[in-house]
Amino acid sequence: TQLLEQSPQFLSIQEGENLTVYCNSSSVFSSLQWYRQEPGEGPVLLVTVVTGGEVKKLKRLTFQFGDARKDSSLHITAAQPGDTGLYLCAGGPSGIYNQGGKLIFGQGTELSVKP
Amino acid sequence: DARVTQTPRHKVTEMGQEVTMRCQPILGHNTVFWYRQTMMQGLELLAYFRNRAPLDDSGMPKDRFSAEMPDATLATLKIQPSEPRDSAVYFCASGFFAVSNQPQHFGDGTRLSIL
Repeated sequence: TQLLEQSPQFLSIQEGENLTVYCNSSSVFSSLQWYRQEPGEGPVLLVTVVTGGEVKKLKRLTFQFGDARKDSSLHITAAQPGDTGLYLCAGGPSGIYNQGGKLIFGQGTELSVKP
Repeated sequence: DARVTQTPRHKVTEMGQEVTMRCQPILGHNTVFWYRQTMMQGLELLAYFRNRAPLDDSGMPKDRFSAEMPDATLATLKIQPSEPRDSAVYFCASGFFAVSNQPQHFGDGTRLSIL
């Protein structure tokens, strides 16, 4: 069974601070997606990384896929209250066929950024 | 922007009652997923369909849960009889998976409370 472990589970910081969220597994994934979920809404895709070592930037957010495609990180620079939410990583199972688009989700990191 | 639509948004009912949740996927998407989200378990995949055919429902308690796609514009998830432990937020997501690593587009969920 492929599992994704996210850390930390909860993070409360002040506006302007930097933070990193980690997503780790012992399994190889064909891709890694990061989603953000706000209260009362469904998760929304932020980014997909597919190549080992890949780095993608989305404004103040930097996403990295590990070289071995077993882990990923999300770094936020100068966090703002609008970044508050639940951040979920999700891996696409590896193999000949990606099981129809199925994703394995991590437990999530609840981020609170205080003004 | 096209969106996945879920109804009802909230449902409160008594134990033993039948519950039906509905999902309208984004037009043109060929894969529909049903998830359950709780604080303890996070986001769990219950079942998913490709071109209306069930691909995997191993995450679903078979004795009380059933999922169907009567047509391409409607997916349903039924619980009969419902139990208090079924209280959770249920999400539907859709996507187009001709190739792997595609995003899933989530609805805003049905918040279910079983008394």
